Amino acid sequence: SQTIHQWPATLVQPVGSPLSLECTVEGTSNPNLYWYRQAAGRGLQLLFYSVGIGQISSEVPQNLSASRPQDRQFILSSKKLLLSDSGFYLCAWSVGTGFTDTQYFGPGTRLTVL
Amino acid sequence: EDQVTQSPEALRLQEGESSSLNCSYTVSGLRGLFWYRQDPGKGPEFLFTLYSAGEEKEKERLKATLTKKESFLHITAPKPEDSATYLCAVQDNSNSGYALNFGKGTSLLVTP
Repeated sequence: SQTIHQWPATLVQPVGSPLSLECTVEGTSNPNLYWYRQAAGRGLQLLFYSVGIGQISSEVPQNLSASRPQDRQFILSSKKLLLSDSGFYLCAWSVGTGFTDTQYFGPGTRLTVL
Repeated sequence: EDQVTQSPEALRLQEGESSSLNCSYTVSGLRGLFWYRQDPGKGPEFLFTLYSAGEEKEKERLKATLTKKESFLHITAPKPEDSATYLCAVQDNSNSGYALNFGKGTSLLVTP
């Protein structure tokens, strides 16, 4: 069975500090990988998706970047955090062409920027 | 303009009191509509995918239905463990095809 891991579970960072969140998937090959953010009072918003190693697509302009150094590893980064980067970050995976594929979510990382 | 609107925002039910949650959507071409359950501090848990109007799916006390403009999540004889936020999301033809557009969710509380 497939398992998705995210770490850290919670993170408190000062404004202007760097960020690195990691997501790994087990039990599947060539997954599509996604980063979403869930802010208070708002729905989940897709930030990045990747269909393969080194292939990253950004859905919204922002202060964040993503990388996929290995098939089942997805990393979300920032060089300098802003207050508005606070939120609940969720990694998800799917298999297939991307169209109507079910996305399965990880446990999330709660990021607070002070 | 929101593509996905969920109502009500919050719902309180007595154990055994059946009800329905609504998800209205406006998209150019629906590829799929997804229902998730999210417990506080956790990632969303997949429940159902619906692809075409008239389709229905069931799982335990939950039943999801789909029309051309909305989806309903029917909860029959709910139990306290059904308390959670229920999220609706759509995938449509207007974007890359990968993004799920989520509603803000319905927070359900079932009391004993």
